[in-house]
Amino acid sequence: AQTVTQSQPEMSVQEAETVTLSCTYDTSENNYYLFWYKQPPSRQMILVIRQEAYKQQNATENRFSVNFQKAAKSFSLKISDSQLGDTAMYFCAFRSAGNMLTFGGGTRLMVKP
Amino acid sequence: SQTIHQWPATLVQPVGSPLSLECTVEGTSNPNLYWYRQAAGRGLQLLFYSVGIGQISSEVPQNLSASRPQDRQFILSSKKLLLSDSGFYLCAWSRGYSTDTQYFGPGTRLTVL
Repeated sequence: AQTVTQSQPEMSVQEAETVTLSCTYDTSENNYYLFWYKQPPSRQMILVIRQEAYKQQNATENRFSVNFQKAAKSFSLKISDSQLGDTAMYFCAFRSAGNMLTFGGGTRLMVKP
Repeated sequence: SQTIHQWPATLVQPVGSPLSLECTVEGTSNPNLYWYRQAAGRGLQLLFYSVGIGQISSEVPQNLSASRPQDRQFILSSKKLLLSDSGFYLCAWSRGYSTDTQYFGPGTRLTVL
């Protein structure tokens, strides 16, 4: 079974600065997808970024980028130029061909003005 | 574009009462559909998923059941609610192939008293 671990329950960052959220996972599969979802106070889950395991190039979406280290089974999220609207819970998730999306426990990010 | 709806947004029910939560998807056909539960301050737990009308897979034994009477409609039910059924219920959809991104609805907050 796959597991996803987010070792930082809470983090804070000053507005306009950069923050990195950590995620590690455990799997024996070679083909899979990794995701970061954001859950603001409204509680709707919003896709932030996704990475295909077969791609070596790290995914980037505007101010959000990942550092995908397949051998180390690490998938961290970097948020640049943090904005107040980035305050949310962030969930790392893993999905393989078995249709299961496995979530980490989440990291609560607070962006301070 | 595709949209996903859930209702009701909030529900307060007494222990032992029945439950019916509805999820519908627009703008796509033959989606995979999912029900998740999120306890307060925790990650998401997959409850059910469906790859087609009448096809339901259960991931955990529980007091709940799911049905898919139409292609883009997914219903979560219970005959008798328990206190432990309280939580935030999220519906999600993805395209037919197994590693595609899941997109989430706005969720239903259920409180069982």
